[in-house]
Amino acid sequence: DGGITQSPKYLFRKEGQNVTLSCEQNLNHDAMYWYRQDPGQGLRLIYYSQIVNDFQKGDIAEGYSVSREKKESFPLTVTSAQKNPTAFYLCASSNLGERDRAYFGPGTRLLVL
Amino acid sequence: LAKTTQPISMDSYEGQEVNITCSHNNIATNDYITWYQQFPSQGPRFIIQGYKTKVTNEVASLFIPADRKSSTLSLPRVSLSDTAVYYCLARNNNDMRFGAGTRLTVKP
Repeated sequence: DGGITQSPKYLFRKEGQNVTLSCEQNLNHDAMYWYRQDPGQGLRLIYYSQIVNDFQKGDIAEGYSVSREKKESFPLTVTSAQKNPTAFYLCASSNLGERDRAYFGPGTRLLVL
Repeated sequence: LAKTTQPISMDSYEGQEVNITCSHNNIATNDYITWYQQFPSQGPRFIIQGYKTKVTNEVASLFIPADRKSSTLSLPRVSLSDTAVYYCLARNNNDMRFGAGTRLTVKP
């Protein structure tokens, strides 16, 4: 059953703590993306990767880090430098053509204790 | 990068046709226009895509004029379950930056 998965569904972070959000896809897509969504707002691009071992910053990369060691995995770390991490985080994947649609995971909601 | 502009919100009633217009004045030659739908606490999902003229599928129609500087998503006979946020995206390779979207509320 092909798709894109994110875990956990809910994540709690303590002050000063780094947390990692998982994103896995078995669609054989080249590109993967991380977005942040605040309540009532649109999606803002954090990081994206077009190929293994390469990634680029999006519009709000500060306080976040990523890795792309495998084609199917693109974990996002929310570091302690991100002072307002409470949000809904969405991962997506697609191929790179203009006509290739993106597939989104179910999202992870991060809350600060 | 092609920036898109959409109305922030729209209201409609069940059974009506809804048209949501997206402006993309600096669209590039290779850009395709794609629309996504997002329900609360879910990831967006693909609705329809086009390059020019008209495209229709089982869910919606997409109208793109010859100059391609705008596009209109048409939802026929909406129901309460069509209440969602709709995003327009002018896709050019790895450019996957979404705008703020249009929040559609369908009333009984």
